[in-house]
Amino acid sequence: NAGVTQTPKFRILKIGQSMTLQCTQDMNHNYMYWYRQDPGMGLKLIYYSVGAGITDKGEVPNGYNVSRSTTEDFPLRLELAAPSQTSVYFCASSQGLAGEQYFGPGTRLTVT
Amino acid sequence: DAKTTQPPSMDCAEGRAANLPCNHSTISGNEYVYWYRQIHSQGPQYIIHGLKNNETNEMASLIITEDRKSSTLILPHATLRDTAVYYCIVRVGSTDKLIFGTGTRLQVFP
Repeated sequence: NAGVTQTPKFRILKIGQSMTLQCTQDMNHNYMYWYRQDPGMGLKLIYYSVGAGITDKGEVPNGYNVSRSTTEDFPLRLELAAPSQTSVYFCASSQGLAGEQYFGPGTRLTVT
Repeated sequence: DAKTTQPPSMDCAEGRAANLPCNHSTISGNEYVYWYRQIHSQGPQYIIHGLKNNETNEMASLIITEDRKSSTLILPHATLRDTAVYYCIVRVGSTDKLIFGTGTRLQVFP
């Protein structure tokens, strides 16, 4: 199993541009998550999904959108990128309510 | 939301036990204590979790006090590869959300 994979690894965006961060898991997990981590800080939950077709907001959803059309994929969309969105983005998945979360390697995004 | 308090940093000699404390004085009866770690800039890695009883796995032991207001993660024989930021997390209510704080930066030295 590859686990949780994320693409791209690095990206530089100009202010106002848009992009999609890709996340795929091959463990057949129902739950998937997007976090961001700013320098020296812990992770903050952006959006999460409890199954295909079901998504919900986390702590910091503004400026982002998600969709979950399949069990495997959970893309994160940034519309109108802003410097405040410069961060490392982690995708994670878990089997159930008390299950451990498996994290991807992260996408390092810079908005200038 | 139950919140956790951890020391910002700790040192430990290689081969010795590393004991990482965590306070969670407002934890509710149905909330679990989770520990994750993050090595350098990698994605966090699950270590262990527990509700009331002490837990042990191949990576670590988790000791939860009887009143559940604090816990300790024990790495029995720390190695240089255990240098990381360790997060103590209390799962929020009945959801699967994890709320990360700033964690404890553990430095293992030779």
